[in-house]
Amino acid sequence: DTGVSQDPRHKITKRGQNVTFRCDPISEHNRLYWYRQTLGQGPEFLTYFQNEAQLEKSRLLSDRFSAERPKGSFSTLEIQRTEQGDSAMYLCASSFGTTSGNTIYFGEGSWLTVV
Amino acid sequence: SQQGEEDPQALSIQEGENATMNCSYKTSINNLQWYRQNSGRGLVHLILIRSNEREKHSGRLRVTLDTSKKSSSLLITASRAADTASYFCATAVRDSNYQLIWGAGTKLIIKP
Repeated sequence: DTGVSQDPRHKITKRGQNVTFRCDPISEHNRLYWYRQTLGQGPEFLTYFQNEAQLEKSRLLSDRFSAERPKGSFSTLEIQRTEQGDSAMYLCASSFGTTSGNTIYFGEGSWLTVV
Repeated sequence: SQQGEEDPQALSIQEGENATMNCSYKTSINNLQWYRQNSGRGLVHLILIRSNEREKHSGRLRVTLDTSKKSSSLLITASRAADTASYFCATAVRDSNYQLIWGAGTKLIIKP
């Protein structure tokens, strides 16, 4: 399968701990996105990379959140000092192109439960 | 804030019937995309319609776009139990070349 891959699929952590999620986009996709989704809601944009450059961060992305895409391939999303409100599914997506007219492909998501 | 609003929020129909879901949005868009999401899973891309297009078909799916009314509809014909899922519309906003803005989705249940 050459789709977007996310790891881990599920993570349960205690409040205050740090967690890191990894995303491997479809190869040769230059754009990579992180979204967050809670039950019964649509996804909310968190951040966007074009190659290795992080071009936009949502106001939802507090100082406890950091995302990297060091070589323009895989990406990591780290949440420090987790809070119960961070419990959600974190979705990674990728696309190819220089305009917004291209299909964005999503991974299966990483579920985070903060207890 | 969310741009798209799907209507209805939930829809339950018999297998074999057609299902129609609507999406309204607020600002000018570059394109509008429909996605399906099975419970607890990722989002599966269904169809993309550009702002200069009015209708697109893909298999049993038909999407229309009315930019004057800032609305779109997704029609699924001859529904199957496997179509049970949540359906989301997402808009690529004209002044943003990277961000999709989503509604809360329509939950579709197909009764066998």
